[in-house]
Amino acid sequence: RKEVEQDPGPFNVPEGATVAFNCTYSNSASQSFFWYRQDCRKEPKLLMSVYSSGNEDGRFTAQLNRASQYISLLIRDSKLSDSATYLCAVNGGAGGSYIPTFGRGTSLIVHP
Amino acid sequence: GAVVSQHPSRVICKSGTSVKIECRSLDFQATTMFWYRQFPKQSLMLMATSNEGSKATYEQGVEKDKFLINHASLTLSTLTVTSAHPEDSSFYICSASKPGYEQYFGPGTRLTVT
Repeated sequence: RKEVEQDPGPFNVPEGATVAFNCTYSNSASQSFFWYRQDCRKEPKLLMSVYSSGNEDGRFTAQLNRASQYISLLIRDSKLSDSATYLCAVNGGAGGSYIPTFGRGTSLIVHP
Repeated sequence: GAVVSQHPSRVICKSGTSVKIECRSLDFQATTMFWYRQFPKQSLMLMATSNEGSKATYEQGVEKDKFLINHASLTLSTLTVTSAHPEDSSFYICSASKPGYEQYFGPGTRLTVT
């Protein structure tokens, strides 16, 4: 089983739709969780950290489910500009490892 | 947020030559930097972890003698691709972080080996 898994998609949704991505992780001792956005031929950029209590930033909501070992990202009212690849990242674990592990990314295409 | 720069952004070199890529943390001292490689439509693949003042830790399958990493200061890490071959053509991205915090990525270096 891969350490961090994501459905590669693509998710093809119309403008205004709500879309959700999940990301599962295998290391139960993981401590920190993040969502990144990567545009084509660009570097990943931090979208939001994921906190145990869940957190929201505008149209974006991130949640953590430690029992089931997954994090989620919900995007409401999708915009054309949301089209990108969304990467989840997990780090921390036994021994205090801070090496981040990335999922392969989920591709989102928002169409008019 | 923190800024990480990378230079050059794009390089084309001939097979057999070496290429050095610099990664700088501009506004914080990065105890750890990471080097990734990303092939088209593939995920980020961690190549090595670079710790200031010590030897880099390479991921399995990454040749340390081919991908030389030097992290001489808290703000600079370099990756040298030695004797580059066409199969080394890829998007190389560095990142910097403080332990336990999010990664800040450089803009990447697109290497093309002809």
